Amino acid sequence: DGGITQSPKYLFRKEGQNVTLSCEQNLNHDAMYWYRQDPGQGLRLIYYSQIVNDFQKGDIAEGYSVSREKKESFPLTVTSAQKNPTAFYLCASSIGPGTGTYEQYFGPGTRLTVT
Amino acid sequence: AQTVTQSQPEMSVQEAETVTLSCTYDTSESDYYLFWYKQPPSRQMILVIRQEAYKQQNATENRFSVNFQKAAKSFSLKISDSQLGDAAMYFCAYRSFDKLIFGTGTRLQVFP
Repeated sequence: DGGITQSPKYLFRKEGQNVTLSCEQNLNHDAMYWYRQDPGQGLRLIYYSQIVNDFQKGDIAEGYSVSREKKESFPLTVTSAQKNPTAFYLCASSIGPGTGTYEQYFGPGTRLTVT
Repeated sequence: AQTVTQSQPEMSVQEAETVTLSCTYDTSESDYYLFWYKQPPSRQMILVIRQEAYKQQNATENRFSVNFQKAAKSFSLKISDSQLGDAAMYFCAYRSFDKLIFGTGTRLQVFP
């Protein structure tokens, strides 16, 4: 089955530690995205990548970093510089710009709790 | 910059009835795409319906349909014959070049 996987589903970390969230897709999509979701707010874009070895900052990139070494993988690192990292994180992918409606398909998400 | 507004934080509907969720957006572009996503308690985002701005005809997917008013920049979602499984957060989204801009969502409750 084609889809997007995120692991783990729940993640707990101590303040001051970096943590990496995994996102893998087997949809052969070029573009991948990371969103953060907080209660009462919509999804806010952290980073996105339209092609391997290239990525762009979204609206709230501070305190986060990403890499895109493989088409299928787009890991997100939440660094200790992120002031309020506790949130629900969603990964998504799409075919890519220039090829259709750009609809994005989402993974199941990771709930990160930092104490 | 484009913005998406969902003015109804919560809505409720009786099972088998019809409910309409509102969404307005602001853009200077003439060609774009709009989407409605559903987020059930599992928190998995599911694409419900899409609308291409250059198409006059409103999109329909089974019990879900949209009322797209381009001049008014309005994109409402109508759910007919509501079912208990329709209970979820619903997000309206606008495609801006290479990314989506989401509204803050509407929580839909469905009562038996």
